[in-house]
Amino acid sequence: GNSVTQMEGPVTLSEEAFLTINCTYTATGYPSLFWYVQYPGEGLQLLLKATKADDKGSNKGFEATYRKETTSFHLEKGSVQVSDSAVYFCALSVYSGTYKYIFGTGTRLKVLA
Amino acid sequence: DAGVIQSPRHEVTEMGQEVTLRCKPISGHNSLFWYRQTMMRGLELLIYFNNNVPIDDSGMPEDRFSAKMPNASFSTLKIQPSEPRDSAVYFCASSMDHPNTGELFFGEGSRLTVL
Repeated sequence: GNSVTQMEGPVTLSEEAFLTINCTYTATGYPSLFWYVQYPGEGLQLLLKATKADDKGSNKGFEATYRKETTSFHLEKGSVQVSDSAVYFCALSVYSGTYKYIFGTGTRLKVLA
Repeated sequence: DAGVIQSPRHEVTEMGQEVTLRCKPISGHNSLFWYRQTMMRGLELLIYFNNNVPIDDSGMPEDRFSAKMPNASFSTLKIQPSEPRDSAVYFCASSMDHPNTGELFFGEGSRLTVL
């Protein structure tokens, strides 16, 4: 089947620390991979995406590389800011009879000044 | 540019009452999704429309839930009768591109509390 597994939160970091949020997936077919971010009281918004193996998505200092061999799409940022505090969702979309768009459970990030 | 618009933002109702949530997708988008978010189950896809036609409703919990999309600019999610376990934030999202590669644009959500 199709699924997304991401690391449990919350993750608490000091400002300027390095961030990694792990995400692995299983999919029938060739999925596209996404990271979404949800700020308090808001809907999810796309942070970055990659549509094929070895693609790197990047935005606002965040990066993630589509690793087919390890079925992973880990999110990284070299230096987090307090404003990055939010919930981060890994997601995939894949055609499996119909189009499936599946989200992970979300990882809450808290950055302390 | 107007994003996905949902109403109401907050709804408090009593068990047994009918609840209708509304969504206006971004103009020109041809796919519309309804999601439910809870602490226990995370983000769950309820139903997905493409060109106003329901394509996948396998996530709709039970017959108490129904969704319609009478035209390209409007969709409703109805719960009748509502139960306390339906309390959640309901998100509508729309997409212009192919769902496999396109970005989902989410509304701000409708927070439902069933007493």
